[in-house]
Amino acid sequence: AQSVTQLDSHVSVSEGTPVLLRCNYSSSYSPSLFWYVQHPNKGLQLLLKYTSAATLVKGINGFEAEFKKSETSFHLTKPSAHMSDAAEYFCVVSFFYGQNFVFGPGTRLSVLP
Amino acid sequence: KAGVTQTPRYLIKTRGQQVTLSCSPISGHRSVSWYQQTPGQGLQFLFEYFSETQRNKGNFPGRFSGRQFSNSRSEMNVSTLELGDSALYLCASGLMGYGYTFGSGTRLTVV
Repeated sequence: AQSVTQLDSHVSVSEGTPVLLRCNYSSSYSPSLFWYVQHPNKGLQLLLKYTSAATLVKGINGFEAEFKKSETSFHLTKPSAHMSDAAEYFCVVSFFYGQNFVFGPGTRLSVLP
Repeated sequence: KAGVTQTPRYLIKTRGQQVTLSCSPISGHRSVSWYQQTPGQGLQFLFEYFSETQRNKGNFPGRFSGRQFSNSRSEMNVSTLELGDSALYLCASGLMGYGYTFGSGTRLTVV
């Protein structure tokens, strides 16, 4: 069975400092992994995806994530947080190319001035 | 390129009623999935349609149903509404291997 763990329910950083949102997954097969962001009262926006190509994946708005098979992790990072990054972030695993996504519980990112 | 369109954006219904939500996918996308988002349960997969056929189904009661039309537009229906059905319902369309694009959702409130 597939599952996703997001280790922090809430992360708070100061503007201009690095962001690290952690994600670990469990999958019997080689997974596809995604990060989505949800701003208040909005739908979900795809930040980046890993589908067995390069292990370091670059996404939109300066975010990137590294797939580490040995650690079953797919942590999301950004070198410098911006106020507009404040949102809920979801790590998603799918082992069959987007079918039947399994969402993590989400991490709420707060950015302090 | 138009995104995923969900209508209506907001709905208020009373217990026992039924409701139909609509989703128009991105042009060319044949896969449409539905998700329920609540504060307590997070994002949960309802079902996925591909070329008018239900391909996957989540763990929801039979009161939740859906369908997809030949133009890929999809509807989901919830019958005999319960208070616990209050949620944000998200629709997503996509192409295999590329991830899904989500709509802004329909916020359903059951009173």
